[in-house]
Amino acid sequence: QLQLQESGPGLVKPSETLSLTCTVSGGSISSSSYYWGWIRQPPGKGLEWIGTIYYSGNTYYNPSLQSRVTISVDTSKNQFSLKLSSVTAADTAVYYCARVIHSVTTDWFDPWGLGTLVTISA
Amino acid sequence: SYELTQPPSVSVSPGQTASITCSGDKLGDKYACWYQQKPGQSPVLVIYQDYKRPSGIPERFSGSNSGNTATLTISGTQAMDEADYYCQAWDSSTVVFGGGTNLTVL
Repeated sequence: QLQLQESGPGLVKPSETLSLTCTVSGGSISSSSYYWGWIRQPPGKGLEWIGTIYYSGNTYYNPSLQSRVTISVDTSKNQFSLKLSSVTAADTAVYYCARVIHSVTTDWFDPWGLGTLVTISA
Repeated sequence: SYELTQPPSVSVSPGQTASITCSGDKLGDKYACWYQQKPGQSPVLVIYQDYKRPSGIPERFSGSNSGNTATLTISGTQAMDEADYYCQAWDSSTVVFGGGTNLTVL
């Protein structure tokens, strides 16, 4: 059964870079059938897509975050990572990673990791 | 940018049918999917490609999508179905989520 686990600092200072890693177990991140994505959820609010990556390194990002986001993949470690630069308090959220089922007309996310809370504060 | 609109809350009595709507411009021309999120838990996919159910999702969950509205229907709603529900679609290589609907079973 595929499992995803987010990891990284729970506290980041304003203006610094948030860095998270998602470790995939029970399946290969190099599968040609799937993409891999990041989604976040501010406390008490809704879901926001951050971006998606293929094992080849092909990426696409939320236009509202694109200037600050980098998603990368490490197939040797079966991991993919998120970097979000110049963070502010508005970036405080639970960050989820998920497997993406991608087609030319749609994406959906299944399954999701447990999520990790990242707080932006001095 | 594309937007999806959901009612903030829906209430239903146990055993009755709950309908949660998701509206967007020509949403019926796109695929919609739905996630269930219980407090303190990660979202779980309950419907994809408008009406398909992943394995393990009860048959009481169904979906439809036409015109400008996608609908998640829960037949014979149970107390365990009380949760937040989010619709999601894909537009111009961008993933879009609705704002979420809190379903109360009372």
